[in-house]
Amino acid sequence: DTEVTQTPKHLVMGMTNKKSLKCEQHMGHRAMYWYKQKAKKPPELMFVYSYEKLSINESVPSRFSPECPNSSLLNLHLHALQPEDSALYLCASSETGYDTGELFFGEGSRLTVL
Amino acid sequence: AQKVTQAQTEISVVEKEDVTLDCVYETRDTTYYLFWYKQPPSGELVFLIRRNSFDEQNEISGRYSWNFQKSTSSFNFTITASQVVDSAVYFCALSEVGNFNKFYFGSGTKLNVKP
Repeated sequence: DTEVTQTPKHLVMGMTNKKSLKCEQHMGHRAMYWYKQKAKKPPELMFVYSYEKLSINESVPSRFSPECPNSSLLNLHLHALQPEDSALYLCASSETGYDTGELFFGEGSRLTVL
Repeated sequence: AQKVTQAQTEISVVEKEDVTLDCVYETRDTTYYLFWYKQPPSGELVFLIRRNSFDEQNEISGRYSWNFQKSTSSFNFTITASQVVDSAVYFCALSEVGNFNKFYFGSGTKLNVKP
């Protein structure tokens, strides 16, 4: 079983909806990440939180809003998305974000925007 | 700029065959880390190996082995006696040091192992 848990596993939303993706890890890691993965493509980094502080924002549109309530939780708030935002959203964690250790990934949330 | 190239888009083999997945990288850094991840249809990326730029020793783990050659900027992955459960997409990745663990992923190689 993965140690990074993502909910929901599947989400279908309209372009006017507001929804959230949630991610949780209990490995004591202090860095958490959101990646976006389109079909047959590699994951693309969206955001990095290190010690609950947003450290990297890869020029992601404002309709994606990350939130890190504490070191174990990471949310991605979605609002006014476009059909092209349909993708697999992967959450990951690592020990500190400075250590170039491996990333531990969740199983992802598969998002469909109608 | 950092770049990882996996030239093999898709490979099909018959069970028990050996298969090598190629990975070539570019970086100006002298210190960096290389990774292989497996992504089965379930979606989760599963960590397989990490190798730092100063450690060119090859590694073997069961049926998996890795060949790191700095001279050719390659970090190839071989599966010996492949099994159907090895069917997945495999990603090679490069990580910078001191930049919030930013990963540069290759485009992935889809491995189909047929019974």
